[in-house]
Amino acid sequence: LAKTTQPISMDSYEGQEVNITCSHNNIATNDYITWYQQFPSQGPRFIIQGYKTKVTNEVASLFIPADRKSSTLSLPRVSLSDTAVYYCLLNSGGSYIPTFGRGTSLIVHP
Amino acid sequence: DTAVSQTPKYLVTQMGNDKSIKCEQNLGHDTMYWYKQDSKKFLKIMFSYNNKELIINETVPNRFSPKSPDKAHLNLHINSLELGDSAVYFCASSQDSYRTDPDEQFFGPGTRLTVL
Repeated sequence: LAKTTQPISMDSYEGQEVNITCSHNNIATNDYITWYQQFPSQGPRFIIQGYKTKVTNEVASLFIPADRKSSTLSLPRVSLSDTAVYYCLLNSGGSYIPTFGRGTSLIVHP
Repeated sequence: DTAVSQTPKYLVTQMGNDKSIKCEQNLGHDTMYWYKQDSKKFLKIMFSYNNKELIINETVPNRFSPKSPDKAHLNLHINSLELGDSAVYFCASSQDSYRTDPDEQFFGPGTRLTVL
């Protein structure tokens, strides 16, 4: 199974930009990189997904370098409500086995 | 309307009992999943069903048995509950896991199971 590595926790302050990096050295050619967000006592929620270069939506941006061995989720101007666990996973469609791992616990301070 | 719903939200039971958790999705999705999340927040897939057929069955004790009466429902039955089964169980669904590009998964609110 493809594996991802991300920091266990991060701290930030309101209004700052937060970048969470995920390492995936063994990414396969057909793998996409997907990020989910999980608030306490809730199920994970899809944030963004990409294959290469940069993807942006109304919530976040995802930067993927040419070698695709890592990716960075960027959250612009975080607020207290962005405090959550963020999961990076490799996702190849078909009958893949989604592997979420432990995620990064982001705490946003006032 | 809730897209993916689970019942019950909390379940407290004694060791050795048998219990079920129900899941329903009203999104018209083809694939449904069960995940287990432990106290360290590891989220691990247990089962996946596509159109009522089992397609993923990870290393899970056979005390756990999923049942899909139709495409919109995937229930989880657990026999002879053990202390280590205490966790939060999440149901999820996606449109079609056999597409070449990955599908977004929609998760339910979770069921917190506590085995005493």
